[in-house]
Amino acid sequence: DAKTTQPPSMDCAEGRAANLPCNHSTISGNEYVYWYRQIHSQGPQYIIHGLKNNETNEMASLIITEDRKSSTLILPHATLRDTAVYYCFTMDSNYQLIWGAGTKLIIKP
Amino acid sequence: DAGITQSPRHKVTETGTPVTLRCHQTENHRYMYWYRQDPGHGLRLIHYSYGVKDTDKGEVSDGYSVSRSKTEDFLLTLESATSSQTSVYFCAISESAYTGNTIYFGEGSWLTVV
Repeated sequence: DAKTTQPPSMDCAEGRAANLPCNHSTISGNEYVYWYRQIHSQGPQYIIHGLKNNETNEMASLIITEDRKSSTLILPHATLRDTAVYYCFTMDSNYQLIWGAGTKLIIKP
Repeated sequence: DAGITQSPRHKVTETGTPVTLRCHQTENHRYMYWYRQDPGHGLRLIHYSYGVKDTDKGEVSDGYSVSRSKTEDFLLTLESATSSQTSVYFCAISESAYTGNTIYFGEGSWLTVV
Protein backbone atom coordinates (compact mmCIF):
# COMPACT_ATOMS: atom_id res chain seq x y z
CA ASP A 1 0.00 0.00 0.00
CA ALA A 2 1.10 3.54 -0.66
CA LYS A 3 2.49 5.15 2.45
CA THR A 4 3.83 8.47 3.64
CA THR A 5 5.72 8.70 6.93
CA GLN A 6 6.74 11.69 9.02
CA PRO A 7 8.22 12.12 12.50
CA PRO A 8 5.44 12.80 15.01
CA SER A 9 6.99 15.95 16.47
CA MET A 10 9.87 18.37 16.20
CA ASP A 11 11.08 21.46 18.02
CA CYS A 12 12.79 24.45 16.47
CA ALA A 13 14.10 27.69 17.92
CA GLU A 14 12.50 30.89 16.73
CA GLY A 15 14.49 32.48 13.92
CA ARG A 16 16.21 29.24 12.95
CA ALA A 17 15.44 27.09 9.93
CA ALA A 18 12.95 24.29 10.49
CA ASN A 19 13.63 21.18 8.41
CA LEU A 20 10.76 18.72 8.24
CA PRO A 21 11.37 15.35 6.60
CA CYS A 22 8.92 13.08 4.83
CA ASN A 23 9.33 9.62 3.34
CA HIS A 24 7.15 8.66 0.38
CA SER A 25 8.94 5.60 -0.88
CA THR A 26 5.96 4.30 -2.91
CA ILE A 27 5.51 7.49 -4.93
CA SER A 28 4.98 6.93 -8.64
CA GLY A 29 6.55 8.83 -11.49
CA ASN A 30 3.86 11.46 -12.06
CA GLU A 31 2.72 12.05 -8.48
CA TYR A 32 3.50 15.37 -6.90
CA VAL A 33 4.53 15.86 -3.29
CA TYR A 34 2.41 18.38 -1.43
CA TRP A 35 3.01 20.08 1.91
CA TYR A 36 0.26 21.63 3.95
CA ARG A 37 -0.11 22.71 7.53
CA GLN A 38 -2.97 22.81 9.95
CA ILE A 39 -3.13 25.29 12.76
CA HIS A 40 -5.38 24.21 15.59
CA SER A 41 -8.82 23.54 14.13
CA GLN A 42 -8.45 25.34 10.82
CA GLY A 43 -8.51 23.83 7.35
CA PRO A 44 -5.27 22.60 5.79
CA GLN A 45 -3.25 25.53 4.44
CA TYR A 46 -1.23 25.09 1.27
CA ILE A 47 2.53 25.60 1.60
CA ILE A 48 4.28 24.20 -1.46
CA HIS A 49 4.36 21.27 -3.88
CA GLY A 50 6.79 19.77 -6.35
CA LEU A 51 7.47 16.88 -8.69
CA LYS A 52 11.21 16.33 -8.80
CA ASN A 53 12.98 19.66 -8.85
CA ASN A 54 13.53 21.71 -5.74
CA GLU A 55 10.94 24.42 -5.28
CA THR A 56 10.87 27.69 -3.38
CA ASN A 57 8.12 30.18 -2.70
CA GLU A 58 7.52 32.98 -0.22
CA MET A 59 6.67 30.52 2.54
CA ALA A 60 9.15 27.69 2.22
CA SER A 61 11.53 25.57 0.18
CA LEU A 62 11.01 21.98 -0.85
CA ILE A 63 13.91 19.63 -1.42
CA ILE A 64 13.09 16.36 -3.16
CA THR A 65 15.70 13.61 -3.35
CA GLU A 66 16.80 12.43 -6.75
CA ASP A 67 15.01 9.08 -6.32
CA ARG A 68 11.90 11.00 -5.13
CA LYS A 69 11.45 8.68 -2.18
CA SER A 70 11.76 11.46 0.36
CA SER A 71 11.51 15.22 0.68
CA THR A 72 12.28 17.96 3.18
CA LEU A 73 10.27 21.08 3.82
CA ILE A 74 12.37 24.01 4.94
CA LEU A 75 10.94 27.02 6.75
CA PRO A 76 13.92 29.34 6.54
CA HIS A 77 13.24 31.61 9.53
CA ALA A 78 10.68 30.00 11.79
CA THR A 79 8.38 32.23 13.84
CA LEU A 80 6.02 31.38 16.68
CA ARG A 81 3.15 31.54 14.20
CA ASP A 82 4.64 28.59 12.35
CA THR A 83 3.71 26.29 15.22
CA ALA A 84 1.32 23.82 13.57
CA VAL A 85 0.95 20.26 12.34
CA TYR A 86 2.68 19.85 8.99
CA TYR A 87 1.51 17.22 6.53
CA CYS A 88 3.11 15.90 3.42
CA PHE A 89 1.09 13.88 0.98
CA THR A 90 0.92 12.67 -2.57
CA MET A 91 -2.18 12.35 -4.70
CA ASP A 92 -2.75 9.27 -6.77
CA SER A 93 -4.57 9.11 -10.09
CA ASN A 94 -7.88 8.50 -8.29
CA TYR A 95 -7.56 11.74 -6.28
CA GLN A 96 -6.85 9.80 -3.12
CA LEU A 97 -4.50 11.64 -0.81
CA ILE A 98 -1.72 9.47 0.53
CA TRP A 99 -1.60 11.52 3.68
CA GLY A 100 1.08 11.24 6.34
CA ALA A 101 0.25 11.35 10.04
CA GLY A 102 1.82 14.80 10.25
CA THR A 103 4.62 16.39 12.23
CA LYS A 104 3.72 18.63 15.12
CA LEU A 105 6.21 21.47 14.87
CA ILE A 106 6.71 23.55 17.97
CA ILE A 107 8.61 26.80 17.60
CA LYS A 108 10.24 27.86 20.84
CA PRO A 109 11.16 31.46 21.71
CA ASP B 1 -7.07 32.52 0.47
CA ALA B 2 -9.32 30.64 -1.89
CA GLY B 3 -12.99 31.51 -1.67
CA ILE B 4 -14.44 28.37 -0.11
CA THR B 5 -17.30 28.49 2.37
CA GLN B 6 -18.58 25.46 4.19
CA SER B 7 -21.88 25.34 6.03
CA PRO B 8 -22.80 24.54 8.66
CA ARG B 9 -19.48 24.80 10.46
CA HIS B 10 -20.73 22.82 13.44
CA LYS B 11 -23.67 20.47 13.74
CA VAL B 12 -24.93 17.95 16.25
CA THR B 13 -27.52 15.51 14.96
CA GLU B 14 -29.20 12.31 16.05
CA THR B 15 -28.56 8.88 14.64
CA GLY B 16 -30.82 8.12 11.70
CA THR B 17 -31.47 11.71 10.66
CA PRO B 18 -30.44 13.11 7.27
CA VAL B 19 -27.72 15.74 7.15
CA THR B 20 -26.53 17.92 4.29
CA LEU B 21 -23.26 19.81 4.25
CA ARG B 22 -22.74 22.55 1.72
CA CYS B 23 -19.57 23.72 0.03
CA HIS B 24 -19.64 26.96 -1.90
CA GLN B 25 -16.73 28.28 -3.98
CA THR B 26 -16.18 31.59 -5.72
CA GLU B 27 -13.11 30.49 -7.75
CA ASN B 28 -14.97 28.84 -10.64
CA HIS B 29 -12.78 25.74 -10.21
CA ARG B 30 -13.94 22.66 -12.03
CA TYR B 31 -12.98 20.04 -9.43
CA MET B 32 -14.50 19.84 -5.98
CA TYR B 33 -13.89 17.22 -3.32
CA TRP B 34 -15.26 16.11 0.03
CA TYR B 35 -12.82 14.62 2.54
CA ARG B 36 -13.20 13.51 6.11
CA GLN B 37 -10.48 13.77 8.71
CA ASP B 38 -10.29 11.35 11.59
CA PRO B 39 -7.49 10.74 14.11
CA GLY B 40 -4.98 8.25 12.75
CA HIS B 41 -6.35 8.38 9.21
CA GLY B 42 -5.42 11.73 7.78
CA LEU B 43 -7.81 13.00 5.11
CA ARG B 44 -9.79 10.41 3.18
CA LEU B 45 -11.72 11.09 0.00
CA ILE B 46 -15.49 10.60 0.17
CA HIS B 47 -16.66 11.86 -3.23
CA TYR B 48 -15.44 14.25 -5.85
CA SER B 49 -16.90 16.17 -8.77
CA TYR B 50 -15.30 17.04 -12.09
CA GLY B 51 -18.11 19.24 -13.36
CA VAL B 52 -21.79 20.07 -13.00
CA LYS B 53 -23.68 16.80 -12.44
CA ASP B 54 -20.44 14.82 -12.83
CA THR B 55 -19.43 13.05 -9.65
CA ASP B 56 -17.58 9.91 -8.60
CA LYS B 57 -16.86 7.92 -5.47
CA GLY B 58 -13.80 8.04 -3.28
CA GLU B 59 -12.41 5.45 -0.91
CA VAL B 60 -14.96 6.00 1.90
CA SER B 61 -18.18 6.76 0.00
CA ASP B 62 -20.53 4.29 1.73
CA GLY B 63 -23.35 6.13 3.49
CA TYR B 64 -22.75 9.37 1.60
CA SER B 65 -24.18 10.92 -1.54
CA VAL B 66 -23.31 14.14 -3.34
CA SER B 67 -24.83 16.52 -5.82
CA ARG B 68 -23.52 19.36 -7.91
CA SER B 69 -26.18 21.32 -9.77
CA LYS B 70 -24.06 24.47 -10.12
CA THR B 71 -20.33 25.00 -10.58
CA GLU B 72 -20.07 26.80 -7.27
CA ASP B 73 -21.95 24.40 -5.01
CA PHE B 74 -21.13 20.83 -3.95
CA LEU B 75 -23.45 19.18 -1.44
CA LEU B 76 -22.63 16.19 0.74
CA THR B 77 -25.60 14.28 2.16
CA LEU B 78 -25.68 11.68 4.87
CA GLU B 79 -29.01 9.98 4.21
CA SER B 80 -29.21 8.40 7.67
CA ALA B 81 -26.43 9.58 9.94
CA THR B 82 -24.54 7.05 12.08
CA SER B 83 -22.11 7.56 14.94
CA SER B 84 -19.24 6.40 12.71
CA GLN B 85 -19.84 9.47 10.58
CA THR B 86 -18.88 11.76 13.43
CA SER B 87 -15.92 13.55 11.91
CA VAL B 88 -14.55 16.76 10.51
CA TYR B 89 -15.49 17.22 6.87
CA PHE B 90 -13.39 19.31 4.52
CA CYS B 91 -14.35 20.54 1.11
CA ALA B 92 -11.55 21.16 -1.37
CA ILE B 93 -11.27 22.59 -4.86
CA SER B 94 -8.76 22.48 -7.69
CA GLU B 95 -8.65 23.97 -11.14
CA SER B 96 -8.12 20.71 -13.00
CA ALA B 97 -7.32 17.06 -12.57
CA TYR B 98 -3.65 17.66 -13.23
CA THR B 99 -1.96 16.22 -10.19
CA GLY B 100 0.31 19.23 -9.93
CA ASN B 101 -2.56 21.58 -9.29
CA THR B 102 -2.83 23.36 -5.99
CA ILE B 103 -5.67 22.03 -3.86
CA TYR B 104 -7.45 24.53 -1.65
CA PHE B 105 -9.32 23.40 1.45
CA GLY B 106 -12.25 24.94 3.24
CA GLU B 107 -12.31 25.56 6.98
CA GLY B 108 -14.14 22.36 7.82
CA SER B 109 -17.52 21.25 9.12
CA TRP B 110 -17.59 19.53 12.50
CA LEU B 111 -20.34 16.90 12.61
CA THR B 112 -21.30 15.00 15.75
CA VAL B 113 -23.82 12.17 15.50
CA VAL B 114 -25.30 11.20 18.86
